[in-house]
Amino acid sequence: NAGVTQTPKFRVLKTGQSMTLLCAQDMNHEYMYWYRQDPGMGLRLIHYSVGEGTTAKGEVPDGYNVSRLKKQNFLLGLESAAPSQTSVYFCASRKWTGGSETQYFGPGTRLLVL
Amino acid sequence: DAKTTQPPSMDCAEGRAANLPCNHSTISGNEYVYWYRQIHSQGPQYIIHGLKNNETNEMASLIITEDRKSSTLILPHATLRDTAVYYCIVRRYSGGGADGLTFGKGTHLIIQP
Repeated sequence: NAGVTQTPKFRVLKTGQSMTLLCAQDMNHEYMYWYRQDPGMGLRLIHYSVGEGTTAKGEVPDGYNVSRLKKQNFLLGLESAAPSQTSVYFCASRKWTGGSETQYFGPGTRLLVL
Repeated sequence: DAKTTQPPSMDCAEGRAANLPCNHSTISGNEYVYWYRQIHSQGPQYIIHGLKNNETNEMASLIITEDRKSSTLILPHATLRDTAVYYCIVRRYSGGGADGLTFGKGTHLIIQP
């Protein structure tokens, strides 16, 4: 199992450019998440998905869109990048076992917006 | 989910037990205590969780006080690879609820050689 993978690992954008971050998981998990982490801070939830075709907003959704067309993939889009979106982005999928959960995180995508 | 309080940093000598405290005085009866860690530049990694009983797995032990207002994560024989930020997270058993984990700033544990 590859677990949770993220593409790309690093990207530099200019203000106003767009891009899509891809997250893939091979554990057949229903729930998937996108977080961002700014320097010295904990992770904050951007969007999440409870299954194929469904998405919902998290704590900091502005400026981002997501799609879950396939169960194994969760895409995060930036339509018009801003310097405030410079961050490290982590994707996660969740294993739920009768009352408790484990989230599995990807290695992260480092995004620099100039 | 209840709020947690952790010391910002701790040191521990290699080979010794690392004891990381977490205060969660507002925890409610159906909330679990979870621990994750984040090694520099990597994604967070699940360590252990518990409700009210002490728990142990291959990575660590979790001791929860009887009143459940605090807990301690124990790494029994710390190695240099255990240097990381450790997050204590209180999470409601939501019967399948989907919201994400709430991360604070955690404790930066530094293992000294």
